[in-house]
Amino acid sequence: DIQMTQSPSSLSASVGDRVTITCQASQDISNYLNWYQQKPGKAPKLLIYDASNLETGVPSRFSGSGSGTDFTFTISSLQPEDIATYYCQQYDNLPRLVTFGPGTKVDIK
Amino acid sequence: QVTLKESGPVLVKPTETLTLTCTVSGFSLSNARMGVSWIRQPPGKALEWLAHIFSNDEKSYSTSLKSRLTISKDTSKSQVVLTMTNMDPVDTATYYCARILRYYDYIWGSYRFYFDYWGQGTLVTVSS
Repeated sequence: DIQMTQSPSSLSASVGDRVTITCQASQDISNYLNWYQQKPGKAPKLLIYDASNLETGVPSRFSGSGSGTDFTFTISSLQPEDIATYYCQQYDNLPRLVTFGPGTKVDIK
Repeated sequence: QVTLKESGPVLVKPTETLTLTCTVSGFSLSNARMGVSWIRQPPGKALEWLAHIFSNDEKSYSTSLKSRLTISKDTSKSQVVLTMTNMDPVDTATYYCARILRYYDYIWGSYRFYFDYWGQGTLVTVSS
């Protein structure tokens, strides 16, 4: 099975800061990588699909990039409502398995 | 409006079998581009994918839990059911169902896949 790692596991930043999270796959997954935001006590929400495509209705301060094994998720200007845990997720077509990363918790400093 | 709602017991005893139902609305389980997945999250821990099912009855299971899971659907009732046998306290978690949007990428010759709608989740506690 493909393994996913994320770093850092948590971070604290000030409002307006640029925040970057990385996700690494254990093997080449092309750009089959999605990002989700989970606020405390809530279900996850899709933010980015196929590594860099912004889901409809998601603010443009969120972005994603990367391909192969290394991916980056960025919040260009952190807002108080962005306090959440962010997960990357990949889908392996053969053998049709899904893996989530361990998550990155983002707090306001 | 797409919605998914999980239902099932809030408390199960060790060794019992858990049965969870996901009732969907706003889309059909017969839609070839869509499926439903079960994902769980132990308190304070990360998301863990469990299983999914598509309109053609294609099913996939987590490698580590495959022997304990069964997923099925009743298209006429708009329901997807997950059973998990031999429950243990480590299975205590919030269980989510989520809609899968899947489409075939003819350039790469494979499927693209993501969870675009989620249920609110249901907390299942395993305790005697």
